[in-house]
Amino acid sequence: NAGVTQTPKFRVLKTGQSMTLLCAQDMNHEYMYWYRQDPGMGLRLIHYSVGEGTTAKGEVPDGYNVSRLKKQNFLLGLESAAPSQTSVYFCASRPNRQVRGQNTEAFFGQGTRLTVV
Amino acid sequence: AQSVTQPDIHITVSEGASLELRCNYSYGATPYLFWYVQSPGQGLQLLLKYFSGDTLVQGIKGFEAEFKRSQSSFNLRKPSVHWSDAAEYFCAVGAYNDMRFGAGTRLTVKP
Repeated sequence: NAGVTQTPKFRVLKTGQSMTLLCAQDMNHEYMYWYRQDPGMGLRLIHYSVGEGTTAKGEVPDGYNVSRLKKQNFLLGLESAAPSQTSVYFCASRPNRQVRGQNTEAFFGQGTRLTVV
Repeated sequence: AQSVTQPDIHITVSEGASLELRCNYSYGATPYLFWYVQSPGQGLQLLLKYFSGDTLVQGIKGFEAEFKRSQSSFNLRKPSVHWSDAAEYFCAVGAYNDMRFGAGTRLTVKP
């Protein structure tokens, strides 16, 4: 059981370049999240999705876009990368408790380390 | 919106000593609360969670946490710390749709 898989694991971008981070989960979870982790700031929510075709902004959405065309995939895009977006990005997924009749935690991928130079 | 505060950025304890990591949350309804641990260069692993019921919850690796509604707290405890517990610890509150994390507490264990 793969769980949550993020690709790529590492990437170096030049300022102004674009890229897409892919998150895939095989647990049939309804909710998916993108976080960034920076020293001393914990994990901050960028965007999230409560189901296929829906997305919503989190705490720090500026400079990022997301799409959830398939239930199992959640893509995070950087249209024009900036050095301030150097970070470790984590994807997570979680079941919808109203659908599943149970409460549970979020399951995380192993992270993507992005450096923008 | 919900929020989480972890007042201690860095804590150092001696191996074998007891540990308490503090977590305070802000949320308008009954919170879903979590503690995660992250070893260097790794992802996040769930230690324990609270949804309802008994306010003292047991987790993996000998950790426990107590939910105190009156204090809006969910502190993590361990009676005897092992060197392998050195890591960063995150408290999180899960609302209906999203989850918010604290800034984390880095734990150093002295021999």
